[in-house]
This record gives sequence, structure tokens and C-alpha cells, in this order.
Amino acid sequence: DIQMTQSPSSLSASVGDRVTITCRASQNIVSYLNWYQQKPGKAPNVLIYGASNLQTGVPSRFSGSGSGTDFTLTISSLQPEDFATYYCQQSYSIPRTFGQGTKVEIK
Amino acid sequence: DVQLVESGGGLVKPGGSLRLSCAASGFSFRDYTMTWVRQAAGKGLECVAYMSSTSSYINYADSVKGRFTISRDNAKKSLYLQMSSLRAEDTAVYYCARVTFYSDRSGWDEKMDSWGQGTLVTVSS
Repeated sequence: DIQMTQSPSSLSASVGDRVTITCRASQNIVSYLNWYQQKPGKAPNVLIYGASNLQTGVPSRFSGSGSGTDFTLTISSLQPEDFATYYCQQSYSIPRTFGQGTKVEIK
Repeated sequence: DVQLVESGGGLVKPGGSLRLSCAASGFSFRDYTMTWVRQAAGKGLECVAYMSSTSSYINYADSVKGRFTISRDNAKKSLYLQMSSLRAEDTAVYYCARVTFYSDRSGWDEKMDSWGQGTLVTVSS
């Protein structure tokens, strides 16, 4: 199975900050990488697919980059509604696997 | 609107069985691959079962292989997860999710673009 490792596991940031979350795959997954946002008590929602494609309806302050084994999710200007947990997920091989999550908290 | 509604969760003793259901609406269910993803309290996400639209391809996580069975009824627009020999470590919220395929420069890729609200399974004596 492909292991997905996110860093950091948690971070504290203020509204308006630029936030970067990284995800590393245990092997080359090309661009088969999705990012999800999950708020407490809710199901995840896809933000970015194919490493850099913005899901319809997702604000443009979210962006994704990377290929191969190293990927990044960036929030250009953190908004109050962005405080949540973020997961990366590889769609390169079965079983689909997720990172352990990055919790973004209010500073 | 796309809607997925899970049901069937509850409290079950170790070694017991449970059947989860996921009712789909708002899209052509028969055309979509579906998956079950679980999340233990305070933990991350695990894809436990995955089934293609025609049921021709099925995959299970090693942690549930031989104990869980995924199935679907396209006429009823429903996805199921039959869980047996349940263990304490199976305690989690179980989500069903729709898998959407799309084409890009590399070929075909997928994303889990719609999720249900989840149903809680608790395995405890």
C-alpha cells in the first residue's frame, strides 16, 4: 500500500495568514493526488483533485501543486470558515489511502 | 442535488454482524463507482471497500478482508456493506462516497466528490 504522510499534523494560524500543508507519498504517484477538507462532525469535501485542479465551488484561495512524491496545499489568505482538518489522498493505486490529516486551528 | 444517506449503524457485540445501507439520489447511481470510508473517533480516514459501477471490480482493505462484503443494487440505487466478525477496532463512523472519474492529460483519474453524513458503528460488549 502507498503510505501518505502529511506535515505538520497541526498548525495554528490567524485569519489572513498564508497556510501551506505538505503531503508526501511513499512512491511516485504522478499527479494522482486529491485534497479534502473536513469540519468537525461533518463528512469530508473534495477541494483539489489531480494535484492542482480546483473542485467546482471551492474558493480560489485554495490551490494545490506538486507531482511525483511531494505535494502542497496552500490557502492564500486563511478565512474563519477554513479552520478544519485537511487530508490528502492518493488515487494512483488500490487501496486508496489517505494522509493522517492536518488540523488547522485558530491562533 | 446529489444525496447519499447511510443507515444501519448501531451498537453490536464483538463477533457480531451488521449491515449498512447507503441510499443514493440526485444522480445516475448505476454509472458510478462507490466506496465505503470509515473514520474512528479522532482518527483519519480509511477506505475499507470499493466497488465499480457494474460490480465487476471490488477491493477491500486488508483490515476487513474476509469479514466485510460490499454490494450494490442499481435498481434500488443503494450500496451496502455487510460486516461480520466485528472487532472493537471496527468502531467508527462509516461514510459512503461517490467516486467520479475524469480525464486529464495523464489519462483517467478519480475523486470522491460526494459523501453521505455517516453512520456510527460501535463494537463493544
